[in-house]
Parts: sequence; structure tokens; C-alpha cells
Amino acid sequence: DTGVSQNPRHKITKRGQNVTFRCDPISEHNRLYWYRQTLGQGPEFLTYFQNEAQLEKSRLLSDRFSAERPKGSFSTLEIQRTEQGDSAMYLCASSLVRSLQGRNYGYTFGSGTRLTVV
Amino acid sequence: QKEVEQDPGPLSVPEGAIVSLNCTYSNSAFQYFMWYRQYSRKGPELLMYTYSSGNKEDGRFTAQVDKSSKYISLFIRDSQPSDSATYLCAMSAGVNTDKLIFGTGTRLQVFP
Repeated sequence: DTGVSQNPRHKITKRGQNVTFRCDPISEHNRLYWYRQTLGQGPEFLTYFQNEAQLEKSRLLSDRFSAERPKGSFSTLEIQRTEQGDSAMYLCASSLVRSLQGRNYGYTFGSGTRLTVV
Repeated sequence: QKEVEQDPGPLSVPEGAIVSLNCTYSNSAFQYFMWYRQYSRKGPELLMYTYSSGNKEDGRFTAQVDKSSKYISLFIRDSQPSDSATYLCAMSAGVNTDKLIFGTGTRLQVFP
């Protein structure tokens, strides 16, 4: 297993277009997280899944954002009607926890998808 | 005011120096504390994980948590040029949530 994989690595899109990113977690990991990071800032939480269930969403995740993890494996993050303020690095991470209330001991992050909206 | 405050640096030190990186926080519910290292154009990599107050050592790295002061630190001994990166603190309340709150990151440069 080569870790958390994100595609594409870079995406340039015109304002108003829709974009979709894909994340493939470490195969035995049951939790998957999406974060957004802008230049000079730390990652900001967007949402996370345990298997296919979306357990928490940030208020940052407006109606234009949707995330899915249909079979509890890979996940997609879609942004509709992109705006220049959506330009950022979108990071995916995964972890393994033993129960719904279980804690993980740190995530493994992918290298991210860098989105530029022009 | 942000929940987690971290000096963005940059911090420039000579090779072999001891580096001290710090974060303060305001949410007393935080009980899980982490340090991540992030190289340019890469995702964050977990360095240290600490639960509640206390110290933890791993090789050249030591993490300290002082919950009474809401203050956490990462010390790097015998710093190397390969340690040049951005260091992010992160923390979580861990009750009914698994999200991490990150600091802004401190950029560290270790010169030979």
C-alpha cells in the first residue's frame, strides 16, 4: 500500500465550473477526512466519514460542496459553481479506529489536490 | 480570536541547534495534541501524538503539553537541514468529534 492517494494533483478551472476530486485512502482504514488549506494557514476541517457514513460536516462546507464515500472505500469531493475563494489545497486523510466512538492516534494525509480558480 | 495560535515564523537556526516550537489554545476541552511536519507541496506528516498533559520523547523530538497553561511545545534537538519544513500543531477534544484544529504552522529553516 502506497499511502493516501489523491487525484488530480493540480486542477485549474474557470470560475463557475464544477470540479471533482478523488481520494483513495489506505486500504484498511475506515475513517476518511477532507481538509482545506490556504497559503500560510493550517488545514481547516471540512468533513469526515466512518466507512460510508458522513459523521460530521463543517459550516465551511457550503451547499456548493458535497462529499461522498459510497462504498466505504474511495471518496469524492465536488465543488459546484467554483469561486475564486475556493482556490486552495484540498487534503484527504485516513485513519483506522476500532469503534464509532474510538479515537484515532493521528491521520495519514495525502499530498493534496491544488485547486486554482481563475 | 483563533482557537489555536502559533507563531508563523520563519524561524532560522544553524545546524545542531535546539529548536523550540510552541502553540497556545483557548478551548479547555482539547485533550489530544499532535505535531505535524509539512514539506513544501506535500501533505502533513504526523510527528508526535500526546494525550492530556505531560512529555513524550521520540528520538530527537520531545513534545510537551501543559493543559493548565493551555500551552504545547515541540523541541527538536541536534537540528538538521532536513528538518527545514513547516511545523503544525493540531488538537482535538475527542468527544463526539474526530476533527483536528490546526495552528497556522511555523516555518523552520535549518542552515548548514
